[in-house]
Amino acid sequence: GQQVMQIPQYQHVQEGEDFTTYCNSSTTLSNIQWYKQRPGGHPVFLIQLVKSGEVKKQKRLTFQFGEAKKNSSLHITATQTTDVGTYFCAGSGNSNYQLIWGAGTKLIIKP
Amino acid sequence: DAGVTQSPTHLIKTRGQQVTLRCSPKSGHDTVSWYQQALGQGPQFIFQYYEEEERQRGNFPDRFSGHQFPNYSSELNVNALLLGDSALYLCASSLEGWRLADYEQYFGPGTRLTVT
Repeated sequence: GQQVMQIPQYQHVQEGEDFTTYCNSSTTLSNIQWYKQRPGGHPVFLIQLVKSGEVKKQKRLTFQFGEAKKNSSLHITATQTTDVGTYFCAGSGNSNYQLIWGAGTKLIIKP
Repeated sequence: DAGVTQSPTHLIKTRGQQVTLRCSPKSGHDTVSWYQQALGQGPQFIFQYYEEEERQRGNFPDRFSGHQFPNYSSELNVNALLLGDSALYLCASSLEGWRLADYEQYFGPGTRLTVT
């Protein structure tokens, strides 16, 4: 079945450093969504990408959808303490209308 | 505008028991999905309800069942609880659509279920 792999599992950064998480699917995706979950909280929708090669920005966050629509990335520039949390990608295949979630990348800011 | 609400917040049950979790969707939403999130994992899709019917189902056994009421609220029932059912159960609502990926989902705070 369709699988969505997300790497890395954890990333420790100093405040002010950049952060990137990658999402890879075993099959072509119709679209992909990104969510953020703060510690002890629930997932909160960030963005949805639909088009091949699409790039979207939200302030310090940049989201990309691969040309083959099998991978995606989230890049955060100059991390801040408010960025702490786990970032999930969730994709849907062309014939399967369920969202398959990655295991998430936990962003940890080093003191 | 009320967001997604879930009850109870926490629950402790014994193996073999049955549990019912409740969810009220965000105002204006008529589609409810349920997820199980084990510690350190991403949410796993259980099933989705729209127009009071189960529209899609993930890879979960029949012990997991649900219901949607005319006011769009929903219940998740789990029978014959196992230790492995211990998890955070999340309810998410969205606009009408059986293609979950078409719309952003609004999650509730979750119910933390512990099975002992």
